[in-house]
Amino acid sequence: QVRLQESGPGLVKPSQTLSLTCTVSGDSIGSNSYFWTWIRQPAGKGLEWIGHIYTRGTTEYNPSLKSRVTISLDMSKNQFSLKVTSVTAADTAVYYCARAPTVIDPTSFFPDSWGQGALVTVSS
Amino acid sequence: QSVLTQPPSVSGAPGQRITIFCTGTNSNIGAGYDVQWYQHLPGTAPKLLIFINNDRPSGVPDRFSGSKSGTSASLAITGLQAEDEADYYCQSYDSGLSGWVFGGGTKLTVL
Repeated sequence: QVRLQESGPGLVKPSQTLSLTCTVSGDSIGSNSYFWTWIRQPAGKGLEWIGHIYTRGTTEYNPSLKSRVTISLDMSKNQFSLKVTSVTAADTAVYYCARAPTVIDPTSFFPDSWGQGALVTVSS
Repeated sequence: QSVLTQPPSVSGAPGQRITIFCTGTNSNIGAGYDVQWYQHLPGTAPKLLIFINNDRPSGVPDRFSGSKSGTSASLAITGLQAEDEADYYCQSYDSGLSGWVFGGGTKLTVL
């Protein structure tokens, strides 16, 4: 059974870079059957898709965040990571990493395994 | 303001049937894009309940069902149980935004 666990600093100063890592166990991030995604939830608000990365390294990002977001893979550690630059208080949220099955329809996206989430607060 | 609109809350008694609606537009649900539903207990990992409009992952009881019509989708839960008390989110693709969007979430209270 796959498990995903987010890790990283819980507090980031405004204008700095938020960095999170998702460690995957029970599955290989090199598998062509899945791709890997980040989703966040600000306090009291709904879920927001941040972006995802395919096994070959191709990425897709939320257009509203694209200029500040980078998602990358580390095959040797079976991890994938998220970086958000120039953070503000609006980036304060619980950040989830998740796995999504690869299907024929490129608009079909349904993460089937999620991490527990990591709270990141942006504050000085 | 979420792109997909859900009622903030619904409630029902044990054993009853409830329906949660998700209203979109012609750039997402109305355009024919798949709708997914997730169950989320705060502090835990969200759980995929329904994918591609009405399919259930292995292990999800058939008390949960999804449907879609026009620019809306719905999640029905029959035989309501105390353990169903959670937040529920719909999700789809939006061609205008070129990305995947979620509803604002609906809190289900089992009376």
